[in-house]
Amino acid sequence: DTAVSQTPKYLVTQMGNDKSIKCEQNLGHDTMYWYKQDSKKFLKIMFSYNNKELIINETVPNRFSPKSPDKAHLNLHINSLELGDSAVYFCASSWTSDYNEQFFGPGTRLTVL
Amino acid sequence: QQPVQSPQAVILREGEDAVINCSSSKALYSVHWYRQKHGEAPVFLMILLKGGEQKGHEKISASFNEKKQQSSLYLTASQLSYSGTYFCGTERDNQGGKLIFGQGTELSVKP
Repeated sequence: DTAVSQTPKYLVTQMGNDKSIKCEQNLGHDTMYWYKQDSKKFLKIMFSYNNKELIINETVPNRFSPKSPDKAHLNLHINSLELGDSAVYFCASSWTSDYNEQFFGPGTRLTVL
Repeated sequence: QQPVQSPQAVILREGEDAVINCSSSKALYSVHWYRQKHGEAPVFLMILLKGGEQKGHEKISASFNEKKQQSSLYLTASQLSYSGTYFCGTERDNQGGKLIFGQGTELSVKP
């Protein structure tokens, strides 16, 4: 059984389009995250939700909007896509505890043309 | 503030040892270590907390020097499967899992 899953795995789209990435975890974790990894492998946190409540909201363009319908799901919607949005987006989940090791999903490679 | 990892890259022969360092200019609450193979997701290896507690992989060890705000990951008797990019992620003041990752250290283990 996949612990953290993301769809789609690949996303190729034109500038200006709107797209969504979905994430689901079956680990029972109460916290979920979105990360962006650029072409230089720099891994940067974007958002975090704890029990459906936004707790980390880093400096990202407001074209990016996360939504958590329940604590097992965290989706990422991106409006008006730009070339610079091309990256791999990882979802992750963890418990809220001192030992909050994060389990990452397989990633979604977004290419904006 | 992004932690700084060193070295940036290292090449080993199977069975050799390596140390990867992670330094922060800020006081840390915890340090996480992850390994990412090409085209795959980062995988958790180890977490070290302020105060000395740690949890992680059986065959990989790490240390956390709170005075220097530096962590080191020790890879002993390396195997081919150890190849990948190693990231440290640092958390300040128990910020609910907000990890700031270093730039990564690329490790290649050759037969």
